[in-house]
Amino acid sequence: AQSVAQPEDQVNVAEGNPLTVKCTYSVSGNPYLFWYVQYPNRGLQFLLKYITGDNLVKGSYGFEAEFNKSQTSFHLKKPSALVSDSALYFCAVRVDTNAGKSTFGDGTTLTVKP
Amino acid sequence: KAGVTQTPRYLIKTRGQQVTLSCSPISGHRSVSWYQQTPGQGLQFLFEYFSETQRNKGNFPGRFSGRQFSNSRSEMNVSTLELGDSALYLCASSERGVYNEQFFGPGTRLTVL
Repeated sequence: AQSVAQPEDQVNVAEGNPLTVKCTYSVSGNPYLFWYVQYPNRGLQFLLKYITGDNLVKGSYGFEAEFNKSQTSFHLKKPSALVSDSALYFCAVRVDTNAGKSTFGDGTTLTVKP
Repeated sequence: KAGVTQTPRYLIKTRGQQVTLSCSPISGHRSVSWYQQTPGQGLQFLFEYFSETQRNKGNFPGRFSGRQFSNSRSEMNVSTLELGDSALYLCASSERGVYNEQFFGPGTRLTVL
C-alpha cells in the first residue's frame, strides 16, 4: 500500500521569510513524488515533481523540494514567501507497480501574512 | 491546448437519485483519473482509466462507476445518492507514464439534499 502524510494542517509564515511544507511517504518500490497547489474555488495545479536524479528539484513560482530517500520525505520549500503563495498544498506519490493511482496527502494550508 | 473541462460545474440532487459527471481531458492525454475532495477526507482516489480500460480503483462502494470513451472523454456515475456523497469531484488527465504530472479540471460541486 502507498501512503502520504502531511503532518501539518496549517503553516503560517511572514512575507519574506522562508517556508517549508512537510511531506513524508510510504511505498513499495521507487516513488514518483509531486506537489500540487489549490487556490480557492479552483482545481489543483502542478508545482513540481521528483522522478530520479538530483534530490533537489525546482518548480513553478520559485518553489523547490528536496527528496530524501532515507527519511522518505519530500518537503516543499521557498526561500522568500509571498502573500500570493497562500493556498492549499498537496503532496502526492505514484509508483510503477500501481499504475494509474495517485495517493495524496490531506493537504496543508499555507498562510503568508504581510 | 485547452485545459481539462468538467461539466456541470454545480449540481444539486436529492437522496436516492443518480448523477453523471463528465470530463474532457487535454488533447492527447489518454489517462483520466477521478477524485473526491471533501473537507474531512481530503483528496480520495476514485478510479483511473487509460485507453478505455479501468486500470485502478479506489475504496469506494459499487455505487460509484465510470467509463472512458474512445476519444478519451470520461464520465463517472453515482447511483442511489447519499448525503455523504456531497463533495467536489475532480477529474485529472495526464500523458502515459506514471512519472507524468496530472492536470486537473475545476471540478464539479455536487450537493445532495
